Amino acid sequence: QKEVEQDPGPLSVPEGAIVSLNCTYSNSAFQYFMWYRQYSRKGPELLMYTYSSGNKEDGRFTAQVDKSSKYISLFIRDSQPSDSATYLCAMSAGYGGSQGNLIFGKGTKLSVKP
Amino acid sequence: ETGVTQSPTHLIKTRGQQVTLRCSSQSGHNTVSWYQQALGQGPQFIFQYYREEENGRGNFPPRFSGLQFPNYSSELNVNALELDDSALYLCACRPGGLQETQYFGPGTRLLVL
Repeated sequence: QKEVEQDPGPLSVPEGAIVSLNCTYSNSAFQYFMWYRQYSRKGPELLMYTYSSGNKEDGRFTAQVDKSSKYISLFIRDSQPSDSATYLCAMSAGYGGSQGNLIFGKGTKLSVKP
Repeated sequence: ETGVTQSPTHLIKTRGQQVTLRCSSQSGHNTVSWYQQALGQGPQFIFQYYREEENGRGNFPPRFSGLQFPNYSSELNVNALELDDSALYLCACRPGGLQETQYFGPGTRLLVL
């Protein structure tokens, strides 16, 4: 079993739809959770950062972490064609050394159709 | 903008050659990590440098090595290139303090023939 599992999609939705992206993980030591957006042939761009369990909202984006279920989600409201990209979940156990490195999912490719 | 730059943007090498990739970040980003991203995969951690010393390594062989310099720039060196080394190589910098977020550069795309 991989440490982080993420459905690679592809996921295609119409403009204005609510998008739900998810990751599951197996390492209970993870306590820092991030979502990155990556456009084709570009580096990942940080979207959301959450420490431990809970919800975080930023504009049209909401990140949820449920540590008891080892499950994290990213919701995108009123999706736009410019949201078309690959979304990567990432997590780490803590600061410093190898604990500080990020473990990524494979990424979900999202396409928002006008 | 993340303040992280990488060079070159693209590179083509042949099997057995050596390559050096470079990364620069703004001051205060005293921790730098390198990741390898194969096509269709998430980035994989290669190693991390803090104050010019390696302090963490992923599951990569010793032919992957690095350096960090006092001006916050960094290098990734790969010797004896193999075909499977073809990937996007990403540099990520972490701001000082306890924040765990990492900011990525645009990457260098390496093709090994």
